[in-house]
Amino acid sequence: AQSVTQLGSHVSVSEGALVLLRCNYSSSVPPYLFWYVQYPNQGLQLLLKYTTGATLVKGINGFEAEFKKSETSFHLTKPSAHMSDAAEYFCAVSDRGGGADGLTFGKGTHLIIQP
Amino acid sequence: SQTIHQWPATLVQPVGSPLSLECTVEGTSNPNLYWYRQAAGRGLQLLFYSVGIGQISSEVPQNLSASRPQDRQFILSSKKLLLSDSGFYLCAWSVVRGETEAFFGQGTRLTVV
Repeated sequence: AQSVTQLGSHVSVSEGALVLLRCNYSSSVPPYLFWYVQYPNQGLQLLLKYTTGATLVKGINGFEAEFKKSETSFHLTKPSAHMSDAAEYFCAVSDRGGGADGLTFGKGTHLIIQP
Repeated sequence: SQTIHQWPATLVQPVGSPLSLECTVEGTSNPNLYWYRQAAGRGLQLLFYSVGIGQISSEVPQNLSASRPQDRQFILSSKKLLLSDSGFYLCAWSVVRGETEAFFGQGTRLTVV
């Protein structure tokens, strides 16, 4: 069975500061890893994904994440926060070749941007 | 390009009333289709998924049911709503093989009163 732990249900950063959202996973096989963003009362939008290859993955809106197998982590970062980054962020893992039937989501982290 | 439509966006229903939420996908054939429910602080819970017309798998026993009458149509239903059915419902699709992410609709906010 696979699982995802997102540390911190709420994270607050100042505008212009570094954003770090933590995600740890467990999986019995090499995982596929995803970060999604959700704005209020909207669906989820894919930010980035790791399948194979380069462990540092770049996504939309200046976000990136690094797959660290030894730490079973896939933390999301952005060098400089913008007010428009305020949203809910979900980490997800799949070990069945992808597709939503194999996706397990974390509980989400609400990112708050302070002016 | 592929699009997914989900409606209504918001719904307020009395306890004991029926429910029907509809989701349609355009621009792809034979997608995997999914219904998720999102409760505050609890992440996304997969309710149902379908790999083809008439094929429904339920992940969590509950007061809800799903149907797939057409290739790109997925319906979430209930005969009698409970207060605990309140939440944010999301429809999603993915390619049967080859793709690795899911594409989500805009969601339906259901409040049972």
